Amino acid sequence: LAKTTQPISMDSYEGQEVNITCSHNNIATNDYITWYQQFPSQGPRFIIQGYKTKVTNEVASLFIPADRKSSTLSLPRVSLSDTAVYYCLVVLYSSASKIIFGSGTRLSIRP
Amino acid sequence: GAVVSQHPSRVICKSGTSVKIECRSLDFQATTMFWYRQFPKQSLMLMATSNEGSKATYEQGVEKDKFLINHASLTLSTLTVTSAHPEDSSFYICSASPPTSIDRNEQFFGPGTRLTVL
Repeated sequence: LAKTTQPISMDSYEGQEVNITCSHNNIATNDYITWYQQFPSQGPRFIIQGYKTKVTNEVASLFIPADRKSSTLSLPRVSLSDTAVYYCLVVLYSSASKIIFGSGTRLSIRP
Repeated sequence: GAVVSQHPSRVICKSGTSVKIECRSLDFQATTMFWYRQFPKQSLMLMATSNEGSKATYEQGVEKDKFLINHASLTLSTLTVTSAHPEDSSFYICSASPPTSIDRNEQFFGPGTRLTVL
C-alpha cells in the first residue's frame, strides 16, 4: 500500500474554502484515493473516493491530477463543525482490503 | 449508509483482567472486519483482520495471544484483550465493508470503545 504525506495541521475560518493536499508518489494502478474524517472519540467517517480527475459529492470535491501522485480534498464553505482530523488513504478497490491510516491533517475552523 | 456498532462504548477494568469488545454489522453481513487501536492524538493503527469462520490475520507486532479475535458469525466479531495492563488503555475501533459497496471501497467504522486499565 502506498504511503501518503499530508500536512499535520491547518487552520481556517468559517465560510472559507479549505483545500488539503496529499502526496502519494508510489500509488499503484489498482489503488484508489480515499478521504476519511474523524471527530474526537468517534470512528472515522468516509468522505469521498476517486481514481482520477475530479469527483464531487454533497460534502466535498476531490481533485486528482493525471499522474495521480497527489490529490486535493476541497471542502467548500467550512463551518465550525468541520473541525476534525482528515485522513488521506490509498486503498485497493476491494471491499475486503485493509486500510492503513497515515498521520492525518488536524483541521481547525475558527469563527 | 451501513451501520457498525460496538459494545461497550466505554470500559474500565483492573490490571490482569480480560475485556471483551463486540463489533456488529447491523444491516449487512461482513465476512471481513478490521480492528484498530488509537492512542490519544495519534492515528489509527490496524491490529488485525477478522475473517468469518477462520483465523484472524494479525499485523506485525500485534500479539495474537494477547488480543484474541473471534468472528463467529457474519455480523459479529469480538476482540478480547487478555490480562489487560495499563499500557493497553486505548481507543479500540472496528470497521467493516458491506458487500454491496461494489462501486467504491468504503469502510464503515464503529463508534469505538474506550478501554481504561487501572
